[in-house]
This record gives sequence, C-alpha cells and structure tokens, in this order.
Amino acid sequence: GDSVTQMEGPVTLSEEAFLTINCTYTATGYPSLFWYVQYPGEGLQLLLKATKADDKGSNKGFEATYRKETTSFHLEKGSVQVSDSAVYFCALSKAGGNQFYFGTGTSLTVIP
Amino acid sequence: NAGVMQNPRHLVRRRGQEARLRCSPMKGHSHVYWYRQLPEEGLKFMVYLQKENIIDESGMPKERFSAEFPKEGPSILRIQQVVRGDSAAYFCASGIGGAFSEAFFGQGTRLTVV
Repeated sequence: GDSVTQMEGPVTLSEEAFLTINCTYTATGYPSLFWYVQYPGEGLQLLLKATKADDKGSNKGFEATYRKETTSFHLEKGSVQVSDSAVYFCALSKAGGNQFYFGTGTSLTVIP
Repeated sequence: NAGVMQNPRHLVRRRGQEARLRCSPMKGHSHVYWYRQLPEEGLKFMVYLQKENIIDESGMPKERFSAEFPKEGPSILRIQQVVRGDSAAYFCASGIGGAFSEAFFGQGTRLTVV
C-alpha cells in the first residue's frame, strides 16, 4: 500500500547549520508530495508541496525536490534558525485517493 | 477567511463518558479529514467525509467511534464510552479534494481520559 517513510529523529542542530530530513515514499501512480510543520501545541501547517516529478517546492528557505527515480522528497535548508524548531511531517496524496499518508514526523531542535 | 476551527481545544473526560469533537472547515471546503496523533507517534488517518457522506472510514476503530459531516454545521467526531487509550490529539483538516490540493489543519483537540 501507499506509505511514507521519514528519517528518525530527534535531530538537534546548531543555528546556521545545514538541515536535511530524508523522506521516501511508496505509491502506485503519481502522488503529490507535501511537507507539513507542526509547532508545539499547534496543528499542522503546509510548508511546501510538489505535484509532479522534478518539481521543487520551496518556502521560508526550505526546499524539497520530487525525485521519482529515487522515490524521495528530502527536505533541506541551508541555514536553520532557532525558530525552525518543530516537528516536520512528509506526506503524500493521490488523485482519486481519500487520504493523506503521513510519515511519523521528525522532531528538529535548533540551539543558539 | 477563517481557518479550520476545532473545539474544544482541550477536553477531559472520565472513562465511560462520551467525547464530542467539532470541526468547522474553511469556507468553501467540502472535504473533511480526521486524524489522530498519539503521544510520540505520527498522524493516523481515521475518516474522510464530504457533506452528508462518509467516503472512507478505513482508519476508524470498529466500535465506539463515529463521524458525521451534516449538510449544515460542523463535522463531529464522536467517541462513546471513552477509555484511557483514547487520550490523544485529534486533528481535523479540510480541503477542496483532489490530489493537488493541500489539506488545511485545525489546531486540534487534545482529549485526556482520566
């Protein structure tokens, strides 16, 4: 069945470090891919998305490229800030599908 | 345009009581999803509804849980005879449907069963 696998956390980085959170997916057909972010005590917010192969989603300095050949959608940021501390979820959905499939989430803590 | 509104934000119930969680989707959205987030775990799909229709309830426990999305008013997730294992954050999301549209999430209802 369709699924998303995320890098295990937690991840702790110093401010201005480079961030990569790995995400791979299993799906038939052509899914859309998403990264959501959840700040403490809050709901999920869409961070970025890509709807077809080779698309790059970007927002707030974060980027992810839809790689069909490696079935991946890794999240990257060149220089993290303390305010980026949150839990990040990778997700997919498909045309005709009835749900979003979420990874287990990766907790990121950025220290000054 | 208000976002997805969930209430209450926090709900405490004793074992055996009923819990009712409400979700008002964003204006113009006809699709509602419910997810459960257990402590230290990811989001688990529960149910997907459109107005007056349950489209996919494959993630709903077979007993005690039900959901509705009436023609008028919010979507309701109802848990009867709650047990401690029901303690979790319940998130509602709404959208316009289709693979290319994102889901917009509410802030969640944190249910604690004592």
